[in-house]
Amino acid sequence: DTGVSQDPRHKITKRGQNVTFRCDPISEHNRLYWYRQTLGQGPEFLTYFQNEAQLEKSRLLSDRFSAERPKGSFSTLEIQRTEQGDSAMYLCASSLAVGAGETQYFGPGTRLLVL
Amino acid sequence: AQTVTQSQPEMSVQEAETVTLSCTYDTSENNYYLFWYKQPPSRQMILVIRQEAYKQQNATENRFSVNFQKAAKSFSLKISDSQLGDTAMYFCAFRGTTSGTYKYIFGTGTRLKVLA
Repeated sequence: DTGVSQDPRHKITKRGQNVTFRCDPISEHNRLYWYRQTLGQGPEFLTYFQNEAQLEKSRLLSDRFSAERPKGSFSTLEIQRTEQGDSAMYLCASSLAVGAGETQYFGPGTRLLVL
Repeated sequence: AQTVTQSQPEMSVQEAETVTLSCTYDTSENNYYLFWYKQPPSRQMILVIRQEAYKQQNATENRFSVNFQKAAKSFSLKISDSQLGDTAMYFCAFRGTTSGTYKYIFGTGTRLKVLA
């Protein structure tokens, strides 16, 4: 088991383009989370899945953002019509929910720069 | 809504010394989890220590320990025998246990520098 992986690690795009990020969680982890982290700040929650169901979305997640976890394994986060304000680190985390207790394990993140 | 506050943006400590990072939080829940994560420069977030609110005993992990004061809603991290590799951003995080509160709420972080 190699932990949570994210691809790509870095992405530079022009304003108005669409981008898609992928997250592969630790195998058998049933919960998967997406966070956004800007420079000098803590991660901010975007959305999370339990298996393939998307159970919560932050108000930060505008209509330009969409996330999927089609088979309850890997997840994708797509940003349409990117804006310069979307520049940030996008972090994925996974956990194995056991009752109410769990610990999230984070991936290395995808750093997005919108020019 | 839950909030997490880290009031120390930056701290420094001499190698081998002890340092304490502060964290306060606000919640109306009785059961919850608190975490300290470490994020080294340009590296991924690593779990340092975890505390369950219903456990009165403070969590410890080798050189890392917490002082959990539930009534005061305070959760500080003590690093003993500081090492150069402890240099990193440290984030305090809260997680609830009721549906709709599973997401982590993070503080703004404390940048710790260990000096040789």
